[in-house]
Order: sequence, then C-alpha cells, then structure tokens
Amino acid sequence: DAEITQSPRHKITETGRQVTLACHQTWNHNNMFWYRQDLGHGLRLIHYSYGVHDTNKGEVSDGYSVSRSNTEDLPLTLESAASSQTSVYFCASRRTAEETQYFGPGTRLLVL
Amino acid sequence: GENVEQHPSTLSVQEGDSAVIKCTYSDSASNYFPWYKQELGKRPQLIIDIRSNVGEKKDQRIAVTLNKTAKHFSLHITETQPEDSAVYFCAACASGGSYIPTFGRGTSLIVHP
Repeated sequence: DAEITQSPRHKITETGRQVTLACHQTWNHNNMFWYRQDLGHGLRLIHYSYGVHDTNKGEVSDGYSVSRSNTEDLPLTLESAASSQTSVYFCASRRTAEETQYFGPGTRLLVL
Repeated sequence: GENVEQHPSTLSVQEGDSAVIKCTYSDSASNYFPWYKQELGKRPQLIIDIRSNVGEKKDQRIAVTLNKTAKHFSLHITETQPEDSAVYFCAACASGGSYIPTFGRGTSLIVHP
C-alpha cells in the first residue's frame, strides 16, 4: 500500500551535532512539507517543496534545511542541533491541485 | 499572512454531550478549511473539511459550519464518546497560497465516561 514513512521514529542527539530526519512517500505526491509540533504552538511549517529541486522556507526555517533530489524523499537536516529544536517533527505530502495533506507518523527528537 | 485562532485550548465533556470547537481566520482569500484529529502519540488525520462554497457539512456525528462573512468556522461533535478524546486542529488554506494550511494551536478534547 502507498504510504508516508519517517525515520528514525525517536532520536536523541547532542547540541551542535548535525541531524537528518528522513521522510519517504510512495504516493508520487509532488508536494511535501515538514512541520514541528510543540505544546501550545500547534503545527508550524518549517520547509516545503513543490517538486524535485524545489524547496521553500516556512514559518520557522532558521536552523533547518531540506533538499529534494527525487519525488519520494524530502530529508530535513538540522545543521547544528540546538535544545530549542527538541520537538516532534511531522512530514506531510499532498497531490498537486488537491487540498488534503497526509501526515507521516512523526519523529520525536530530543536535543541534549 | 494567514492567522488562525482556535478556542478553547481544552474542552472537557461528559460522554453523550456535544462538543464545539471554534476557529477564526484572517485572510479573506482562504477557501479550504480542514479539521484534523490527533490521538495521543499518533499522526494528525483529516476527519472533515469544508470549502468556502458551502456553509455546513456533516459526516455522522461530526459537522463543520463556516461563516465567511465573519471569518469563522466551527467543529461540532454530537453524542461524544471516550474515543473522541484527542487533540483537534483546525486549519485555513487559500488556493492562491497553493493550499499551504495555517493551523490553529489545537484543542484538547477530553470525554469522560
């Protein structure tokens, strides 16, 4: 079955380390998104992509980067992890010209 | 940009009661309003949505209403059950913004048996 997956599901890292969170979807959706979820803040958009080689900054993009080399994957990189980046990260995808986003299972990241 | 306010942040009801969650938005160009349910430790999942060309939509025990003039929309859950306990998020999207949703901060619904 087509799906959207994230890995790892849980990650503990240290301040200053580079961390990459993976997102993979098999729906062939052009549009992919990364959100972070923090208590009291809901879901905030980090980066998004409308297709291969396209990336755009969202509301809270500082300290994060993404790359889109194929349709299926949008990895999220924390260049130098900070304690403020401790959060739950959700990837989502959507078919072009449709409104509904589908979320991955999430990655819980702890930065010590 | 769009700003979505969601109230209340916490809602506690008895099983069988109704629950109402309200959201307001700021961008008059927004024309698609999804609602997501997130159970503890799980991903957000779409439960119902409404487009700006209709004022109400129902799906069994849940319904959504939209008032474009006042720029607010609401989620109504009737005959609540313990399994309705979750965090609910509203969102607003504009087709001109390529359907990137702006989310409310969420409402934690607790249904007491």
